[in-house]
Amino acid sequence: SYVLTQPPSVSVAPGQTARISCGGNNIGDKPVHWYQQKPGQAPVVVVYDDSDRPSGIPERFSGSNSGNTATLTISRVEAGDEADYYCQVWIHYSDHPIFGGGTKLTVL
Amino acid sequence: QVQLVQSGAEVKKPGSSVRVSCKASGGTFSNYAIGWVRQAPGQGLEWMGTITPIFNKANYAQKFQGRVTVIADESTGTAYMELSSLRSEDTAVFYCARGRDTSMALFEHWGQGTLVTVSS
Repeated sequence: SYVLTQPPSVSVAPGQTARISCGGNNIGDKPVHWYQQKPGQAPVVVVYDDSDRPSGIPERFSGSNSGNTATLTISRVEAGDEADYYCQVWIHYSDHPIFGGGTKLTVL
Repeated sequence: QVQLVQSGAEVKKPGSSVRVSCKASGGTFSNYAIGWVRQAPGQGLEWMGTITPIFNKANYAQKFQGRVTVIADESTGTAYMELSSLRSEDTAVFYCARGRDTSMALFEHWGQGTLVTVSS
């Protein structure tokens, strides 16, 4: 079965750039979506289809996807960005969505 | 705007079943997939199953196959997830989410979550 691998944690100082990776076999061939989840809240889409942003999501959030790695990039990190982030793909032939294990972003 | 409102918290005994509801508003209910996700305390997101009302078709994760049933009531715009043979490991928050089309390729809108506690 298809597996998505994320680092358990990423730490970054305010104002710096955070990069969260999501590894999968030929993941570059699949659209990747990213969700932000703050404590006690439901997840929210921050990037979909590799690099598109829903309305209301700051331009500081961007995404890329190539080869075996997708990346969520958060520029000019703020304290309010501290959250868990999950990547997700859809396996077309089985109609099954797959989530990565999640990455806890800590703002130092 | 799309809104998904889930039923309230439940406490269940091991071996029993739980049913969680998810009432959708905004958009045509039948045209979108509804998926269910489990999140155990301190753990990640785990897809359980999906129902596509317009096709009356359900699709389940192998891990939950045989224990989970997802259905949709088009007359009320409500989806339901029933999980049987509950065990302590099923203590979790369960979320429903709406797809952007008839597949669950993207979990576009989420409910607020329902805490299910399994305890003797």
